[in-house]
Order: sequence, then C-alpha cells, then structure tokens
Amino acid sequence: QTVVTQEPSFSVSPGGTVTLTCGLSSGSVSTSYYPSWYQQTPGQAPRTLIYSTNTRSSGVPDRFSGSILGNKAALTITGAQADDESDYYCVLYMDSGIWVFGGGTKLTVL
Amino acid sequence: EVQLVESGGGLVQPGGSLRLSCAASGFTFSTYWMHWVRQAPGKGLVWVSRINSDGISTRYADSVKGRFTISRDNAKNTLYLEMNSLRVEDTAVYYCGRGSSGYSLGSWGQGTLVSVSS
Repeated sequence: QTVVTQEPSFSVSPGGTVTLTCGLSSGSVSTSYYPSWYQQTPGQAPRTLIYSTNTRSSGVPDRFSGSILGNKAALTITGAQADDESDYYCVLYMDSGIWVFGGGTKLTVL
Repeated sequence: EVQLVESGGGLVQPGGSLRLSCAASGFTFSTYWMHWVRQAPGKGLVWVSRINSDGISTRYADSVKGRFTISRDNAKNTLYLEMNSLRVEDTAVYYCGRGSSGYSLGSWGQGTLVSVSS
C-alpha cells in the first residue's frame, strides 16, 4: 500500500518563505508521478495550485512554485500572506493508474 | 465558466446504497476525464475513482473497489457514482473533479455529504 507523506503542520511568518514536501513511504518522487498541489480552506472545495510538478494553474500567484527537491516533490510559498493560511495537499499519479493524496499540511501564517 | 454541481448525498444505513450525480456545464464534458474525491469530517482528501472521457476505462481506490461504480452520460453532461454496501467509514463529503493537464484535477464541485449511520 503506497503512502504519500506530507508534514502534518508548518508555520511561517508573514512575508517569509516556506517549503512543503510530498514524499513516498517507499521510493522517490519524480516528475513521472506528475505531482500536483491543492489548497483548501475550511468548508471550501480544493483549489488547484500546481500540476505536472511545477506548472502553476491559471490565476495562481507566482509566489507559489513547485519543484522536485531531493526525493520529494515540493511546494514553495515565497512572501507568505495571511490568506495563505490553509491546508495544502499533494497528489501523485501512480503507474497503476490511480491517484494517491498525501495526508495534507496545515499551514499557519503568524 | 466551468461548473460542477454534485447532488444525491444524504443519510443512509450501513449496507445501504446511494447514487451521487455531478452535473457539468461550461466545458465540453465528453472530452474530459472525471474524478470523485472524498473527505471525511476533519480529515484529508482521498481519491476515490476516475473515468476516462468515453466512459470505457475506470479506476478505483482499493477501499471502494467492488462496492462503488463510476459512470457518465455524455449526452446529459453528468457524472455518477453508484455506492453499494456502504460502511460507516464511507461517511464524507464527495467532490467531483474535472481531469486536467498533467494528470491533475483542474476544477472541483462544492461537494455533497454522505452520512452512513444506523
């Protein structure tokens, strides 16, 4: 059973930079997993931020960027703002043709 | 504007069945893969199922395989999720999502709540 791992929580100061990661319980994340990232605030539907590792979805500010760092996918927020306080989820596309979400990271901006 | 509107949620007893619908508008429905994703109360997102554009190819998470069936009616621009043998742990908000570039989910509905309880 493949498990996608994310930090449960993270904190960043306003204006600061934070990098959230998305790993595998076994193995390394590569671009072949087509990592994508989603932002969700309580009571709302998710919003797509990044797809195919590092492509920003339409309308997403350029302070959000995606990459592969070492053996994980990463979402970096540069110049964090108060309204970036949300839950962030990554999802990986497996070669079995299924998708697996990570457990999500609760980001606090304070 | 892309719109996805889920319906069909409600309270059902364990072992029961329910069919969810997702009405799509604002795009050419028949050319997109579609997904169902769920979120239990206070928990994270969990991918449930995917169907390709012509409805021939489907995939399921292990947790629902054999109990849930995804389907679509391209003439009605509607996605479905038939849920049988429901369990308490199936309680969640169910979102439909439109497949997008790079195997991502590009647009999401607002969700419909399914509660499985006796």
